[in-house]
Amino acid sequence: AQSVTQLGSHVSVSEGALVLLRCNYSSSVPPYLFWYVQYPNQGLQLLLKYTSAATLVKGINGFEAEFKKSETSFHLTKPSAHMSDAAEYFCAVSRETASKLTFGTGTRLQVTL
Amino acid sequence: DAGVIQSPRHEVTEMGQEVTLRCKPISGHNSLFWYRQTMMRGLELLIYFNNNVPIDDSGMPEDRFSAKMPNASFSTLKIQPSEPRDSAVYFCASSLADRGWNGYTFGSGTRLTVV
Repeated sequence: AQSVTQLGSHVSVSEGALVLLRCNYSSSVPPYLFWYVQYPNQGLQLLLKYTSAATLVKGINGFEAEFKKSETSFHLTKPSAHMSDAAEYFCAVSRETASKLTFGTGTRLQVTL
Repeated sequence: DAGVIQSPRHEVTEMGQEVTLRCKPISGHNSLFWYRQTMMRGLELLIYFNNNVPIDDSGMPEDRFSAKMPNASFSTLKIQPSEPRDSAVYFCASSLADRGWNGYTFGSGTRLTVV
């Protein structure tokens, strides 16, 4: 069965600093990988997805993630944090199209002045 | 597109009462998922449907929970009787299985409080 591990339940960065949110997956087959963002009192929104077309994936709001098979990682980055990036971020994995997604436990990103 | 629509947004009920949560998926999507989110347990998949048929309900906590999808545009999650430990945010999500799969589209959730 596939799973994801998000290292760090809370990450705090200064505005303008690099954002790095870590996600490692376990899957016996090439997976589908996703990052979702959840703002307070809202549902989850898709940030970006990996579906084997390219290892570096660009998403919305300046976020990107790189699929590294050798490290079984799919870390989320953004060069310069903005206050509006404060939210909870979830990594998710699936083996098959439209099959159930397995979510990580989430990382809450705090952005300080 | 209006997205995935859930109702009500908030529900406060007394222990022992029946609660029904509703979801309208995105038109044309053929998979529907119910999740529960709590601080302690995070996001938990309760049940999902493909083409209106329940595929996996292993996440349903107990017999007090039931879900139906009578047609492609409507699903319900019912809790009877409700208990305080059922307090959580319940999300519905829908998906379309195609070559450009974009994962799920989530609704805004229903915040359930059982007192």
